Amino acid sequence: QKEVEQDPGPLSVPEGAIVSLNCTYSNSAFQYFMWYRQYSRKGPELLMYTYSSGNKEDGRFTAQVDKSSKYISLFIRDSQPSDSATYLCAYRDRDDKIIFGKGTRLHILP
Amino acid sequence: NAGVTQTPKFQVLKTGQSMTLQCAQDMNHEYMSWYRQDPGMGLRLIHYSVGAGITDQGEVPNGYNVSRSTTEDFPLRLLSAAPSQTSVYFCAIRRKFQLTDTQYFGPGTRLTVL
Repeated sequence: QKEVEQDPGPLSVPEGAIVSLNCTYSNSAFQYFMWYRQYSRKGPELLMYTYSSGNKEDGRFTAQVDKSSKYISLFIRDSQPSDSATYLCAYRDRDDKIIFGKGTRLHILP
Repeated sequence: NAGVTQTPKFQVLKTGQSMTLQCAQDMNHEYMSWYRQDPGMGLRLIHYSVGAGITDQGEVPNGYNVSRSTTEDFPLRLLSAAPSQTSVYFCAIRRKFQLTDTQYFGPGTRLTVL
């Protein structure tokens, strides 16, 4: 079992809706988290990173870490069909390795 | 896929054959990694290297070998291919211990083992 768990989906939402993507992690020592986006048949690309707890916002995207519940979230506002992709959460472990969750497939319906 | 190239893009092997997946970078990043991606399994780390001459195992190292003789290249060797190694393989690079730096991925190699 991975130390970070993610619902694989697929998750389908109508265009314009707010999307919530979530991961849970097991090791309270983890502090550095990332969200990657992967389009079909492409390599992943870094979307956002967060440290420890709190929110980080970048345009329509907000990343949130709740250390008390060991929960990582990515919110997408005003979702667009171009947001349809697989979203992977990831963390840096203490050896500086980046370990990924299983990814959630997201479909934004026009 | 800035500065990371992978060859070949596609490969079909028979069980028991060996091959090397190539990864090259031109960004002078110390840290290079190999991941495999299977449906429903996300990305799993195979091997990684923090610099020339240094390699270490990731989550799923069995059946794979790596070496790092230069900063630029990090080949992944399959010694005796098995159908369970059918997957998409991604090479990734980043700077070492730079917490907010981007990890760049190559375009991937799609491998089928019959």
